[in-house]
This record gives sequence, structure tokens and C-alpha cells, in this order.
Amino acid sequence: NAGVTQTPKFQVLKTGQSMTLQCAQDMNHEYMSWYRQDPGMGLRLIHYSVGAGITDQGEVPNGYNVSRSTTEDFPLRLLSAAPSQTSVYFCASSYIRGTEAFFGQGTRLTVV
Amino acid sequence: GQSLEQPSEVTAVEGAIVQINCTYQTSGFYGLSWYQQHDGGAPTFLSYNALDGLEETGRFSSFLSRSDSYGYLLLQELQMKDSASYFCAVREASGTYKYIFGTGTRLKVLA
Repeated sequence: NAGVTQTPKFQVLKTGQSMTLQCAQDMNHEYMSWYRQDPGMGLRLIHYSVGAGITDQGEVPNGYNVSRSTTEDFPLRLLSAAPSQTSVYFCASSYIRGTEAFFGQGTRLTVV
Repeated sequence: GQSLEQPSEVTAVEGAIVQINCTYQTSGFYGLSWYQQHDGGAPTFLSYNALDGLEETGRFSSFLSRSDSYGYLLLQELQMKDSASYFCAVREASGTYKYIFGTGTRLKVLA
């Protein structure tokens, strides 16, 4: 059972480049979400989804897009990378009223 | 909106007991969860309180008081491996089901 698979683990981008962070889960969870984690800032919600075809913004959505075409996949797109987007990104999934969220291994992104 | 506040850092010695607090402002939520995160790793689930009161899981206990908008994680018989960051989290009951995390507490266990 793979759980939540997040790729890549590390990425360096130049300012202005675009890229997609991949996230897939095999637990049939309705809820999926993306967080960014900066030192001393905790986990801040970027975007989330409560099911295929449904997405919504979290606390810090600017500069990011998401889509949810299937239950399993929830990619995060950086449209035009900026140094302020240097962070560690985590994808998580859970049942819609679940008490526990399951996390991917994280992506350490550096924008230069 | 929702906010969950935690102390930024707590230090304790091996074998001691430490309490990590979580105070929140929220219009409604299903319950309070706690997570542990070691440096370089992903958060992992520790415990959940659906109702007011104390839940015990081995050396870890968690408490919730909805009337006081307050919860805490209690770690007993501290070990060096407990050095990590700890986060509280809630899921909104407003219909969005947003899952929000606290600001996080870094626990340092000293020998």
C-alpha cells in the first residue's frame, strides 16, 4: 500500500519557470490538500479538494493552480516561480471527515 | 477565519513531562488532532480528541476543552527521540472540510 506519493523530492527552478508537483493517493480519500512549510510558519494551506472536479483556495493560494480530475491525483502547478515560493511542499489526503491526514514525503523547492 | 496558536519552542530534560498547548479561534470543528514531525520528515498522526476530556495513547495524552477553546498534548517519560515539532490541527465543520494546522511547537529534549 503506497499511501500518498509525492514527486519530485527536490527541485531547483529559475525565476519565471513553471512546474507541476505531482501527488497521488491510493486510499480512495475524498479530501486532498497542499501545504507549504516555511521555517517558523507551520503548515499553511495552499489549495484543497473535497472530491474530483471540486477545488478551493486555502490561506496562501496566489501563484499556484490545482485541478482534481480523478480521486487519486491532485497536482499543484506553479505558474511563474518566484523566490518567495522557495519552501517545502506537502501533499496530504484523508477521508472528508477523517481524523487523520496522511502526508507525502514532501518536495523541497528552491527558486533562484 | 480559523487560527490555532502554539508556543514556538519548549525545552525539557529526558524523563520529564512536558505539555504543549494549542489555543484556537474557530466557529466549529469536528475534533482536535496532533501530529509529530521530525526534521526533514513529514508530519505523522499522534492522537485525536472528538470530545472534551483526556485521550491516552501510551506515553502521549491529549486533552480538549471546547468551552475554553483550548487543547494540549502531554508527553511523559520524555526520550531523546521525542525531539521534534508538534502541530495541532482541526477540520472545519462549516461545510468546507478545510484541514488547518497550528503554528507548531519545536520540542527540544536535553540529556
